Amino acid sequence: EVQLEESGGGLVQPGGSLRLSCAASGFTLSSNAMSWVRQAPGRGLEWVSAISGNGGSTYYADSVKGRFTISRDTSKNTLFLQVNSLRAEDTAVYYCAIKITVLYWGQGTLVTVSS
Amino acid sequence: EIVMTQSPATLSVSPGERATLSCRASQSVSSNLAWYQQKPGQAPRLLIYGASTRVTGIPARFSGTGSGTEFTLTISSLQSEDFAIYYCQQYNHWPTWTFGQGTKVELK
Repeated sequence: EVQLEESGGGLVQPGGSLRLSCAASGFTLSSNAMSWVRQAPGRGLEWVSAISGNGGSTYYADSVKGRFTISRDTSKNTLFLQVNSLRAEDTAVYYCAIKITVLYWGQGTLVTVSS
Repeated sequence: EIVMTQSPATLSVSPGERATLSCRASQSVSSNLAWYQQKPGQAPRLLIYGASTRVTGIPARFSGTGSGTEFTLTISSLQSEDFAIYYCQQYNHWPTWTFGQGTKVELK
């Protein structure tokens, strides 16, 4: 059974950093592309970043380019999102997701950027 | 970027009635279209993928149709637990998934 579990969110001041994690089970990260999607409070869903199945290509939304970095540790079957230079508008629940025929999402981790 | 447009923004429906939600893509996404249900404080719940394939465990009152640029989610007889926000998502143009802005189904 495919499962995704995010962690690493929290309260951080503007300009701060966090590393979000997504522990995957039921499939092998090294063979599959993965994505991060976020949802600001009371708002819709926004794609943030993705990494290719072989890990060789990474992609970012314009709103986070240069500040966020997606990576993975295949030995731990874990996906990461390093979020730097955080702004108030980055406040959101961050979800990791994968498409293996069906689309699977985790339950999300909340990042709150506030002084 | 493919823009997904959902209509209406809010749909007021009485229990037992049919609800029809629309999603339009700015360019073809083939059948790579998903529908999600989201309730307050919860993660989105996948209902439909491939435009018309219901996820295991989703009640048969939920059905999806369409391909290309025009898609519809129908809830044949609305139950109390179906009041929520519904989002469509295209995943045809990876990696940049895009989502509709959502349709809120509320009690009439």
